[in-house]
Amino acid sequence: DTGVSQDPRHKITKRGQNVTFRCDPISEHNRLYWYRQTLGQGPEFLTYFQNEAQLEKSRLLSDRFSAERPKGSFSTLEIQRTEQGDSAMYLCASSLVGFSYEQYFGPGTRLTVT
Amino acid sequence: ILNVEQSPQSLHVQEGDSTNFTCSFPSSNFYALHWYRWETAKSPEALFVMTLNGDEKKKGRISATLNTKEGYSYLYIKGSQPEDSATYLCAFAFNTDKLIFGTGTRLQVFP
Repeated sequence: DTGVSQDPRHKITKRGQNVTFRCDPISEHNRLYWYRQTLGQGPEFLTYFQNEAQLEKSRLLSDRFSAERPKGSFSTLEIQRTEQGDSAMYLCASSLVGFSYEQYFGPGTRLTVT
Repeated sequence: ILNVEQSPQSLHVQEGDSTNFTCSFPSSNFYALHWYRWETAKSPEALFVMTLNGDEKKKGRISATLNTKEGYSYLYIKGSQPEDSATYLCAFAFNTDKLIFGTGTRLQVFP
């Protein structure tokens, strides 16, 4: 297992376009998290899944954002009608609840909205 | 609103210097405190997860202490090397769910 992977690593899009990011967690992990980091800030929680169930969504996650984890494995994060304020690093993490406290992070997807 | 603060914001040291950073977090509803190292273009790497008041953990030249009663943790790097250059993040957890991150300390070690 090579850890958490994210695709793409970089995305440049024009304002108003839709974008979708993918996260593949460590295979046996049942929890999957999305965080966002903007310039000068630490990562901020967006949402998390346990298996395929989305258990919590942050108020940061406006209705333009949607996340899915259809089979309890990989997850997608879609942003509709992107705005310049959506420019950020989007990080995915996974964990195995009940075994360890640790969250293992992917390298992130850097989104630039022009 | 739960607030996690880190200081200093950035640090420039010479190779061989020892250094330390501070993370302050809420002292109530404590569950765990995480330290991560994040190098540019890489994934944040877990350094330590600390759960008990008075915990001290060590990995090579890096060590950390935890005081849950007063709500702070220190990260120490002994004999800094250029490869230690990274952003060091702490994250507070009040349950097994989300992490609440500080803004990080950016360390640069010059040869």
